[in-house]
Amino acid sequence: GENVEQHPSTLSVQEGDSAVIKCTYSDSASNYFPWYKQELGKRPQLIIDIRSNVGEKKDQRIAVTLNKTAKHFSLHITETQPEDSAVYFCAAGRPMIYNQGGKLIFGQGTELSVKP
Amino acid sequence: DTGVSQDPRHKITKRGQNVTFRCDPISEHNRLYWYRQTLGQGPEFLTYFQNEAQLEKSRLLSDRFSAERPKGSFSTLEIQRTEQGDSAMYLCASSLALRAEEETQYFGPGTRLLVL
Repeated sequence: GENVEQHPSTLSVQEGDSAVIKCTYSDSASNYFPWYKQELGKRPQLIIDIRSNVGEKKDQRIAVTLNKTAKHFSLHITETQPEDSAVYFCAAGRPMIYNQGGKLIFGQGTELSVKP
Repeated sequence: DTGVSQDPRHKITKRGQNVTFRCDPISEHNRLYWYRQTLGQGPEFLTYFQNEAQLEKSRLLSDRFSAERPKGSFSTLEIQRTEQGDSAMYLCASSLALRAEEETQYFGPGTRLLVL
């Protein structure tokens, strides 16, 4: 069945350093790859997403890269700040026109800690 | 607040009781998803609706679970004869899916269920 593997499970960095979180997916029909940030006790919030027609997308300090051949995608956060501390989830989804399209398959999460 | 809302935010119940959760999506969003999230894990897909039609149910959704979206607006998720293993955060997400390539899911704050 569909599966998304996420690494590492925990990541600790110093403020100002970069953080990289990697995900691998199994369903070759997936074409949508969002990243969500979840602070303790709060809802998952979309921070960036990428669709398979592009290889990279950037939004200020956050960037996502996608390698469809290898079925890998990664989140890069530069110049980390203490408020970036949270759990980050990657996910993969099929196009809506496909059977079982629309639903997201999530990774296990990465707990990022940014130390001042 | 124009985001996805869920009610109640917390529910404590005894094993064997029935519980019902409500989700109000973002206005005019035609798709509504239910996910379940246990501690330290990513959200797991349960079921979703396009307007009032329930289009897919996960194998995680046993016959004790039922979901409805009677008028294509709010949705309810009912769990009958609750078990301790049902304890989790139940998340709702909605999206405006007009074109296959442009769906983005926005999550509600969740209902945290504890079955004693």
